[in-house]
Amino acid sequence: DQQVKQNSPSLSVQEGRISILNCDYTNSMFDYFLWYKKYPAEGPTFLISISSIKDKNEDGRFTVFLNKSAKHLSLHIVPSQPGDSAVYFCAATTGAGNTPLVFGKGTRLSVIA
Amino acid sequence: EAQVTQNPRYLITVTGKKLTVTCSQNMNHEYMSWYRQDPGLGLRQIYYSMNVEVTDKGDVPEGYKVSRKEKRNFPLILESPSPNQTSLYFCASRSGTSGAKQYFGPGTRLTVT
Repeated sequence: DQQVKQNSPSLSVQEGRISILNCDYTNSMFDYFLWYKKYPAEGPTFLISISSIKDKNEDGRFTVFLNKSAKHLSLHIVPSQPGDSAVYFCAATTGAGNTPLVFGKGTRLSVIA
Repeated sequence: EAQVTQNPRYLITVTGKKLTVTCSQNMNHEYMSWYRQDPGLGLRQIYYSMNVEVTDKGDVPEGYKVSRKEKRNFPLILESPSPNQTSLYFCASRSGTSGAKQYFGPGTRLTVT
């Protein structure tokens, strides 16, 4: 059973517009969520995270929103740039940092100039 | 520079020939893990280690072994590789602190013929 789901395998957005990547989870024990970005031939790199005590976290052009009642989080990128084209993974974990991250399958974002 | 290194980056081998992929981190992280990435399946955890001499199975441990004799190293061992282990492998590490972000290595592309 997949605990973290990214239901859109791919997304195309025009440069300058907003990109919204979605992630759903089923385990109500998850209390910390992360987004990773992956370019081809590189390892994933950390992008932004959010604790379950918050509903929003912002870092420059990137904002993550968490809706605990819906078990849903989203990553907003505004404005989108061609360099944002990558695969984005949503991940979740429980407890005090001593449990494995559970990853979604990823969404490939293409930002078209 | 804080980093996770993996070797080799690329490997082509034949069925049944034992191989080891090394992983090393210089951040004094307690937690290390191995993932494989396959098309349409995202990142799946193979094994993880919460500290020296402490390892546990992830989601897809069959056909793999690991050891954690030193804090900085976490090798992945394939005793008898098979073609279904052809994949892209990532090592990762993080602190055991709650909310700590995970750092990934650059990946090892393994092909088993």
